[in-house]
Amino acid sequence: AQTVTQSQPEMSVQEAETVTLSCTYDTSESDYYLFWYKQPPSRQMILVIRQEAYKQQNATENRFSVNFQKAAKSFSLKISDSQLGDAAMYFCAYRSYNTDKLIFGTGTRLQVFP
Amino acid sequence: EAGVAQSPRYKIIEKRQSVAFWCNPISGHATLYWYQQILGQGPKLLIQFQNNGVVDDSQLPKDRFSAERLKGVDSTLKIQPAKLEDSAVYLCASSRTGRVNTEAFFGQGTRLTVV
Repeated sequence: AQTVTQSQPEMSVQEAETVTLSCTYDTSESDYYLFWYKQPPSRQMILVIRQEAYKQQNATENRFSVNFQKAAKSFSLKISDSQLGDAAMYFCAYRSYNTDKLIFGTGTRLQVFP
Repeated sequence: EAGVAQSPRYKIIEKRQSVAFWCNPISGHATLYWYQQILGQGPKLLIQFQNNGVVDDSQLPKDRFSAERLKGVDSTLKIQPAKLEDSAVYLCASSRTGRVNTEAFFGQGTRLTVV
């Protein structure tokens, strides 16, 4: 069975600085998708960035980028130029290529200080 | 396109009562997920449908929880009887199947409080 682990329950960053959130996962599948989702206090889960496991190039979306290390089964999220609106829970998620099963880690609460 | 709709937004019930949650996924999305999210934790997958068939329900407490997806569209999750530990947010999500457009879209969730 696949598992997703987020070892940082809380992180904090100052506005305009850079922060990295960690995620590791375990799977026996060779093809899969990885995601970072953001969940603000409103509870609406919003996709931040996605990575296909077959792609070696790290995904980037504006201020958000990932460091995908397939052999190490590591998938970290870097937020550059942090903004107050980035404060939220961030969840790392794994989606099976074969079954579409989507599972989540325990989350990291990100605080952004002015 | 319209998003994933869930109702109700909030529900308070006494233990041993029953409750039902409703989800209307995005049109054309064959895959539908129900998650339980206890405060401060990550979403836990309860059940996954593809069209009206169950793909995975390995973590669904089947002695008290049931779910169905009528005609492969709307879905209902029921708890009977509820326990105090069922207090959580219940999230519904939907996505297309296959290997493109893999993003899952989420509803706003139903916050259940069991007293």
